[in-house]
Amino acid sequence: KNQVEQSPQSLIILEGKNCTLQCNYTVSPFSNLRWYKQDTGRGPVSLTIMTFSENTKSNGRYTATLDADTKQSSLHITASQLSDSASYICVVSARTGGGNKLTFGTGTQLKVEL
Amino acid sequence: DVKVTQSSRYLVKRTGEKVFLECVQDMDHENMFWYRQDPGLGLRLIYFSYDVKMKEKGDIPEGYSVSREKKERFSLILESASTNQTSMYLCASSTTGGYDGYTFGSGTRLTVV
Repeated sequence: KNQVEQSPQSLIILEGKNCTLQCNYTVSPFSNLRWYKQDTGRGPVSLTIMTFSENTKSNGRYTATLDADTKQSSLHITASQLSDSASYICVVSARTGGGNKLTFGTGTQLKVEL
Repeated sequence: DVKVTQSSRYLVKRTGEKVFLECVQDMDHENMFWYRQDPGLGLRLIYFSYDVKMKEKGDIPEGYSVSREKKERFSLILESASTNQTSMYLCASSTTGGYDGYTFGSGTRLTVV
């Protein structure tokens, strides 16, 4: 069964600090991995996407890594801001005959405080 | 700016009511999806459609139906709302295969009382 597990479940950090969120998956055949940011009461917005051959992808202060051998990904947030407070969801796609099938993690709830 | 628009941000309905959730996308995407999101469970796929008038059951279709009469519009229907359908509902769209990713709407928070 395809699964995506994220850790920690929740995290509180001070503004300006860095943090790293983890994602472990058992999805096959692997197609790609995305990190989404979801603000409270809003839909998820894509931050990064990585395919099998990519091991690092950056989007501003967000840097995602992928280790396809160990089936792990991380999202590193640098110099956190109050606006980074959100849920971060890891989504892994499996390639099927009809297209990509997505498996969602349950998210890490990040709160950035002054 | 491309967009997936859900008609309502918040809805409160009574048990037994028929509920329509509407979703419109302006990206000419072939695929459209309805998910529900509950705390601790992540997003779960209810139904999806890969073409006009076509629909496929997702992982949790019970109690729901869908309609796609036009390419840009995908409706989720709760035939007889129940309290266990209180949830956040998210619509998404993608190109064929979904290889370019999914674009999500802002969500509809439905409360059934």
